[in-house]
Amino acid sequence: SSELTQDPAVSVALGQTVRITCQGDNLRSYYASWYQQKPGQAPVLVIYGENNRPSGIPDRFSGSSSGNTASLTITGAQAEDEADYYCDSRDSSGNLLRVFGTGTKVTVL
Amino acid sequence: QVQLVQSGAEVKKPGASVKVSCKASGYTFTGYYLHWVRQAPGQGLEWMGWINPTSGGTRYAQKFQGRVTMTRDTSISTAYMELSRLKSDDTAVYYCARDYQEFDYWGQGTLVTVSS
Repeated sequence: SSELTQDPAVSVALGQTVRITCQGDNLRSYYASWYQQKPGQAPVLVIYGENNRPSGIPDRFSGSSSGNTASLTITGAQAEDEADYYCDSRDSSGNLLRVFGTGTKVTVL
Repeated sequence: QVQLVQSGAEVKKPGASVKVSCKASGYTFTGYYLHWVRQAPGQGLEWMGWINPTSGGTRYAQKFQGRVTMTRDTSISTAYMELSRLKSDDTAVYYCARDYQEFDYWGQGTLVTVSS
């Protein structure tokens, strides 16, 4: 089965830009989706497909992909962006299975 | 509006089974697969499997094969996830999530505690 690897933690100064990456061989074939999770809450979809935001997600969130790496960028990070972020994609064994990334804790300083 | 409402918290003993429900509203229940995802305390998200509400077909992560059963009742737009032979490391919050290529809506989560 596939694995999606993320850096455990990153920090960003208020108003600055941070990029979170997700690496895995299956990302050469499938897009990643990105989820934000705050303590005690269910995950929330923030980016899907090539670079799409659900309604209500601020445009400071953007996504990109190159080779085996997907990235989530927060441009002008706000205090409320402090959260755990997870990527998700289809498993490389077939698109019937799914796999989550290991998660990245984003701290806004 | 789309909602997934899950059943309440459960406390189970090791070796027992637990069945969590996920009631969908605000959309056509049979139009989207439903997935189950769990999160142990302080840990990341773990995909468990999906159910096709139309056919009842399922696909499970290899880790849970033989212990998990996903079912649905289309008459009440509800999906179920049953996990058997519970162990202490099954203690987690269990989520259902709607599949729209990505997981666009999530239930509120159900805490399952396994303790003797």
